[in-house]
Parts: sequence; C-alpha cells; structure tokens
Amino acid sequence: NAGVTQTPKFQVLKTGQSMTLQCAQDMNHNSMYWYRQDPGMGLRLIYYSASEGTTDKGEVPNGYNVSRLNKREFSLRLESAAPSQTSVYFCASIDASGGAHNEQFFGPGTRLTVL
Amino acid sequence: SQQGEEDPQALSIQEGENATMNCSYKTSINNLQWYRQNSGRGLVHLILIRSNEREKHSGRLRVTLDTSKKSSSLLITASRAADTASYFCAARPFQGAQKLVFGQGTRLTINP
Repeated sequence: NAGVTQTPKFQVLKTGQSMTLQCAQDMNHNSMYWYRQDPGMGLRLIYYSASEGTTDKGEVPNGYNVSRLNKREFSLRLESAAPSQTSVYFCASIDASGGAHNEQFFGPGTRLTVL
Repeated sequence: SQQGEEDPQALSIQEGENATMNCSYKTSINNLQWYRQNSGRGLVHLILIRSNEREKHSGRLRVTLDTSKKSSSLLITASRAADTASYFCAARPFQGAQKLVFGQGTRLTINP
C-alpha cells in the first residue's frame, strides 16, 4: 500500500494563479482531510470529507475549494492564489466507519509558495 | 482558534534523558492523540488515549490524560537522537464529525 499520496511535492505560483492539489489514498478510508501548516504552527483544518459525496468547511476554508472525486481522491483547489496561502499542505485520511477512534494517516505534504 | 496548546514550544535534552511535553485543550474530547513530525515530512501517529483512560504506554512512550484539567502529557523515556522531531497533540472533540484539532507542537532536540 502506498498510503496517502500527494502531488505535487513543491509548487511556486504567482498571485492570482490557480492550481489544484491532488490527494489519493489506497486504504479504503471513508474520511479525508486537508490541512495547512504554517511555520512554527500546528495543523489547521481547511476542509474535510466525512464520506464520498460530502464535504464540509474546517477552521480556515476561505480561498479554497475541494472536490471528493471518489472514495480514493480528495482534491484542494486554489482559484486565485494569494501570498497568505504560502504554506505546507497536508492531506490525511481515516477509517471512520463504525465510530472507530482511529488515527489519521498523513501524506508527505505539498510545499506551496505564492509570490 | 486552535484547541490544543503545547508546552514547551521547544525542548533540548541529552541523549538518554527523559522528555516530557504537555498539552492543554479547551472542550470535552472523545480522545486525544499524539503525532510526530520529522523535518520536512508528514505527521505520524504515535499513540491515542481515550477520554475514559488516564494513562497509556507504548514502548518508550507514556501518555497521561487528566480530563478534569483538560490536559495531557507525553513522556519519552531514554531518549535517542532519532527522537529529534516535532510532537503534536491532537484532540478529537466529543461531539461532531471525526475532526482533530492540533496544538502548535513541541520541537524536541536530542543532543548526542
């Protein structure tokens, strides 16, 4: 199993450009998450998807959109990038079936710089 | 605002010593988890303690939970250079979807 994979690993954008961060998991997990991590900070939740076909806002959703394409894939889109969105983005997944108290599995991250 | 607050923000100790990190949270929780992050990497789950548990062990890790004080601690015994990393607590709120609220982390450095 590859676990949680993210593409790209690095990206540099100019202000106003758009891009989509891709995330996929092969663990048959039903819940997926997007976080951002800023220097010296913990992770802040941007959006999550409790199950295929549903998405919900997290703590810092402004400037982002998401798509739960299928059970495996959960993408994050920046429609018009701003320097404040410079961050490291992490995708995570969890098997939340049956109310299990399970751990989240994280991808390796995408380091995004907006100039 | 983030629910978890961690103390200290940075900790530097000698190899072989014990390292203790503390975490506080604000609301009722279902469970509290600890994660490790090596530089430039994603987070890796270390240990989970449920709200009805007070202490849990896993290898050299010991986690305590005091729900009356809304706090948890992570103890790493007999530290090794490979333990150098950032450690985050993450609280799963009692109600609502399976979301985690992360603390700001403790940067642990083990000196050889």
